Amino acid sequence: GIQVEQSPPDLILQEGANSTLRCNFSDSVNNLQWFHQNPWGQLINLFYIPSGTKQNGRLSATTVATERYSLLYISSSQTTDSGVYFCAVGFSGNTPLVFGKGTRLSVIA
Amino acid sequence: DADVTQTPRNRITKTGKRIMLECSQTKGHDRMYWYRQDPGLGLRLIYYSFDVKDINKGEISDGYSVSRQAQAKFSLSLESAIPNQTALYFCATSRDRATQPQHFGDGTRLSIL
Repeated sequence: GIQVEQSPPDLILQEGANSTLRCNFSDSVNNLQWFHQNPWGQLINLFYIPSGTKQNGRLSATTVATERYSLLYISSSQTTDSGVYFCAVGFSGNTPLVFGKGTRLSVIA
Repeated sequence: DADVTQTPRNRITKTGKRIMLECSQTKGHDRMYWYRQDPGLGLRLIYYSFDVKDINKGEISDGYSVSRQAQAKFSLSLESAIPNQTALYFCATSRDRATQPQHFGDGTRLSIL
């Protein structure tokens, strides 16, 4: 079946540090999205990025579709970055997104 | 006002009860989805709908049913709730192509005793 693997599962950072979260997927994708779930449970769409690189403030994402992975970079982390980061992929046509199990990030002051 | 609204936000009920979770959206999106989230398992798809006349089962549809009453409304029902359906439930929407961002409601925390 379709596999979406995220690493690391857990990450603890000091405020101000940088981090890289990884998402590996098992097949060619036409849809890849990164989400942040904050400590209150809300899911926020960060990036729609089936290929290439995008940046939004301190966050950026790169997807190398031919090598079946995507990276989410967080620079100068803040305590408000804490939460769970999910990668979700769509593999073909109209198939819905398949979610990874997430990376839980804790940023400490 | 939120673009994707879920009601109720929290619900505690007893085994065997029928429960309906409701989702409404003002984004004008054709596609709507119901997910459940369990600790350590990420989000799993229950049902999805590409338009009012289209309903599809997801990965874990057993024990659930849905109704797409209008483009803007998509309801999830648990006909006879059981404790292992205790979870956080999310509704999401997207535009009419697979390659579009999904937008989530704030979730419904459901506890079944």
